[in-house]
Amino acid sequence: GAVVSQHPSRVICKSGTSVKIECRSLDFQATTMFWYRQFPKQSLMLMATSNEGSKATYEQGVEKDKFLINHASLTLSTLTVTSAHPEDSSFYICSATTGAISGNTIYFGEGSWLTVV
Amino acid sequence: KQEVTQIPAALSVPEGENLVLNCSFTDSAIYNLQWFRQDPGKGLTSLLLIQSSQREQTSGRLNASLDKSSGRSTLYIAASQPGDSATYLCAAYNYGQNFVFGPGTRLSVLP
Repeated sequence: GAVVSQHPSRVICKSGTSVKIECRSLDFQATTMFWYRQFPKQSLMLMATSNEGSKATYEQGVEKDKFLINHASLTLSTLTVTSAHPEDSSFYICSATTGAISGNTIYFGEGSWLTVV
Repeated sequence: KQEVTQIPAALSVPEGENLVLNCSFTDSAIYNLQWFRQDPGKGLTSLLLIQSSQREQTSGRLNASLDKSSGRSTLYIAASQPGDSATYLCAAYNYGQNFVFGPGTRLSVLP
């Protein structure tokens, strides 16, 4: 079946640096990808929706200049956390869909644990 | 706006018990509902996906049901094992929108 790969699964970075997380659809073309984050003991919350070739749509309260999302191809979306701070430490997960017409199946990546020290 | 809740927030049972996890959603016009498992420090594992036209899905010892009219889904785990200990999340998907996750139920199965 379809697989979404997310990399890295764990990353530790220093405060003030930037870190990039990749989300790849391995055997299908993902017209839309979603990025979520999860704070400890809280539910997953949608950060942004990205469509291939266009700017991402960010949810209210999510800083688009801090969380840069690029969906340059139908198989790759990246989330870059710029000038990371300890409060950005969280679990980030992406999901990808082939689109509503094809049955609206959405596949999730394995997630990435970000720790900012 | 879709809202998803899960009851109970935490559950501790002895090994071998059958148990039910509950998920409620406010907007019944869902396209599908999915149950996930999340182990501490790890990612999500998709357990069962129920399309809006389906009433239930089964996989091994897991059975998930869906009642759109009442805005409810249940995840039934038969003969629980210590390896089932994890947080279980349900997520509702509305057509043209995105997944809305519940807060999860933290399950502990005691040997």
